[in-house]
Amino acid sequence: KNQVEQSPQSLIILEGKNCTLQCNYTVSPFSNLRWYKQDTGRGPVSLTIMTFSENTKSNGRYTATLDADTKQSSLHITASQLSDSASYICVVRVNSNSGYALNFGKGTSLLVTP
Amino acid sequence: NAGVTQTPKFRVLKTGQSMTLLCAQDMNHEYMYWYRQDPGMGLRLIHYSVGEGTTAKGEVPDGYNVSRLKKQNFLLGLESAAPSQTSVYFCASSDGHPGHSYEQYFGPGTRLTVT
Repeated sequence: KNQVEQSPQSLIILEGKNCTLQCNYTVSPFSNLRWYKQDTGRGPVSLTIMTFSENTKSNGRYTATLDADTKQSSLHITASQLSDSASYICVVRVNSNSGYALNFGKGTSLLVTP
Repeated sequence: NAGVTQTPKFRVLKTGQSMTLLCAQDMNHEYMYWYRQDPGMGLRLIHYSVGEGTTAKGEVPDGYNVSRLKKQNFLLGLESAAPSQTSVYFCASSDGHPGHSYEQYFGPGTRLTVT
């Protein structure tokens, strides 16, 4: 079972509208949580990174929130633009000394239409 | 800065053939990674390197080998390609361990089809 679940799987919104994407995780102990934007045919690009002590972080029209108690994060996009059409990936890092432990969600596919 | 580049962008292989994917970064990063991305699945780590001359296995290393002879390059090899290795491969690099909130920078991907 994937330890990072994203919802919805896909979303269609009108240009100019706001939307919120969800990420729930079960991995622990938590180290940090990242949101990436992946345009079709391109590599992921980092939007935000949040540690345990941060509960909100903004990057332009993108605002991520984190509730480490309920193990939930959201990505809110304000005043959507056509260029926001992409897959948004949530990634949770486990606090581990043994090697590498990034857990990737499957992503939410967002389509912004005129 | 070109960032992270990958060669080739596309490739079609027959089952049993071999090939090498090249990743190069010009940011002087210590850490480099190879991922694969399949439809309906999250990115999965194949191998990674924490510095020149070092490599380590990730989540799905079987059927792949890697080498990091130079700090700026990370090579991913398929010795005998199988249809299950049809995927999009992404290389990434970071200045430090991602557990410490270092940014990961991804390349544009290589789309590999094995027939």
